[in-house]
Parts: sequence; C-alpha cells; structure tokens
Amino acid sequence: GQNIDQPTEMTATEGAIVQINCTYQTSGFNGLFWYQQHAGEAPTFLSYNVLDGLEEKGRFSSFLSRSKGYSYLLLKELQMKDSASYLCAVRWGAGSYQLTFGKGTKLSVIP
Amino acid sequence: GAVVSQHPSWVICKSGTSVKIECRSLDFQATTMFWYRQFPKQSLMLMATSNEGSKATYEQGVEKDKFLINHASLTLSTLTVTSAHPEDSSFYICSARRLAGVYEQFFGPGTRLTVL
Repeated sequence: GQNIDQPTEMTATEGAIVQINCTYQTSGFNGLFWYQQHAGEAPTFLSYNVLDGLEEKGRFSSFLSRSKGYSYLLLKELQMKDSASYLCAVRWGAGSYQLTFGKGTKLSVIP
Repeated sequence: GAVVSQHPSWVICKSGTSVKIECRSLDFQATTMFWYRQFPKQSLMLMATSNEGSKATYEQGVEKDKFLINHASLTLSTLTVTSAHPEDSSFYICSARRLAGVYEQFFGPGTRLTVL
C-alpha cells in the first residue's frame, strides 16, 4: 500500500510556530509535496522535497528524511489566514507524476 | 503564470443526467492533467490521469464508462459524469503538469457537483 499519515487536526496560537508531521511508506519514494487548502477551494502548492534536509521559503519550511519516511511542514509567525488544511502528498515510482494525498491536517489558528 | 481554470465552478443537476466539467491551462501547455474527487472532510482521491491525445488511465475502482475523460488538446481536458446519481455529488478538482522539468501540479479551483 501507499499509506500517508498525518494528524487530523491541530490548533496553534497566532504568532506561534507549528510543526505538521507526515509519515509515508519509503519504497519507491520519488518526492513529497505540501499543499495548503482552504475550505471549498483548490489546493495551492507550498513546497517540494526530494532530497534530505530542510527547504525554507519565507514563513514556511519543509523537512524530509527519506530513510525514515518522514517529513514535516513548519509554519512560523502564524497568522489567522493560515487556518486551513495542509495536505502531504507523495509521488512514488520513477517517471511517475501521480500524487497520492494524505487525509490532510486541519490547522486552526486562534488569537 | 501556471493558471488552471475549471468550468463550471458549481453545478446542480437531476439524477440520470450527464454533466461536463472543463479544465483549462490558461498560460501553459499541459502534457498531463489529473482529475481528483474530494468528499467532505476527506482528502483528494485521484480518479484518472490523462495525457493529450491518448486514453485516460483510471485508478482502481473508478468506472471509466461513467467518468468519461477527453484530453483533446494541450490546454483542455474534460470530465463528463454520465448518468449522475446523488452519490456522485462531490468536489471535482483538476490539476495540470507542465512540460518536463517542472515538478509540481497546478490545481484548478474545483467544481462542486450536486446531484438531486
């Protein structure tokens, strides 16, 4: 199977830092994506990791450990508009462009 | 750049009718387009992958005769839900991938289908 696990819900305070974890099956791994999705809207691309390490992009960072089948998305200086679902998606198989999405983590940012 | 549009944004239809949803890449050529379905509070489930000029590849459990996909050009793919039933009510989202060298998929705004 191609299981992707991430927490269902998280709550964090405005201005704080939150880390959303994602684990996946390592066999055939070929890239991991994070998307943000507001309710009733399509996902928007946040980050892409295919090599181990941290990718930083403004307030958002994403980390990958291929050997552990583990990634996290780090959101800094949280804003109310960051309240959304965060989807971890994995691509398996060389030459494949298909993505398998996790169930998403609903993040609620509170004042 | 990399804008994907979908039309219509929402549609309500009677059970037994067919509905066509269009997905267009507005400012790039899409070699591959993907169709997803998302039920409330669920994640995106890939339905099919379509490449321009060839037949779509459907995921297991998706009826190809019910969900007809046509990728007639590098900027347009259509999904037709034939003989729709209430259980087909869902949020349908397409995405498009640009030519080789670009890794991410660009998503359309989605189409909310309600079958009465």
